[in-house]
Amino acid sequence: DIQMTQTPSSLSASIGDTVTITCRASQSIDTFLNWYQQKPGKAPKLLISAASSVQNGVPSRFSGTGTGTDFTLTITSLQPDDIATYCCHQSYNTPYTFGRGTKVEIK
Amino acid sequence: QLMESGGGVVQPGGSLRLSCEASGISVNTYGMHWVRQAPGKGLEWVAFIRYDGSYEEYADSVKGRFTISRDNSRSTLYLQMHSLRPEDTAVYYCAKELGEYSGYGAEACDIWGQGTMVTVSS
Repeated sequence: DIQMTQTPSSLSASIGDTVTITCRASQSIDTFLNWYQQKPGKAPKLLISAASSVQNGVPSRFSGTGTGTDFTLTITSLQPDDIATYCCHQSYNTPYTFGRGTKVEIK
Repeated sequence: QLMESGGGVVQPGGSLRLSCEASGISVNTYGMHWVRQAPGKGLEWVAFIRYDGSYEEYADSVKGRFTISRDNSRSTLYLQMHSLRPEDTAVYYCAKELGEYSGYGAEACDIWGQGTMVTVSS
């Protein structure tokens, strides 16, 4: 199985800060990497597919980069509505696996 | 939207069937997944079914116990769960793939249901 190691597990940042979350795959997954945002008690929301394709309606402050094994989700100018848990997801092969998540809080 | 139903409390060894009905969107040309989340834990992929129902994949943890199926005439996805274990306790989400006519589930999921809770306990 492909293991997805996501760091950090939590972070605290100020409004307006740039936040970076990383995800490392245990083997190459090309760009089959997706990012989700999940708020407490809610379903995940797709932010970015195929490593860097931002979904319609997602604010432009969210961006994704990477290929192979190393990927990054960046939130430029953190906003109060961004408080959530973010997780990566590899759709390269089964079993499709998720990172353990990064909880983003406001300092 | 997607709306799951069928969750509840069941004893170990019991069975449940979850349903996921689509409304306002067409899912008949999209692969569908079930994903679960145990209390306080991360997301775990459970199963995938191709848009036409001709191909399925399962996580090892549920293989042989769970069956995914779909009825495109009813725009409904199912998850039949047998031999349930306490470790199957979770919120179960159905999710639609981003791209049409995906063959093997190698897609992000862009629409998710609100989830249905399954509790396996004596």
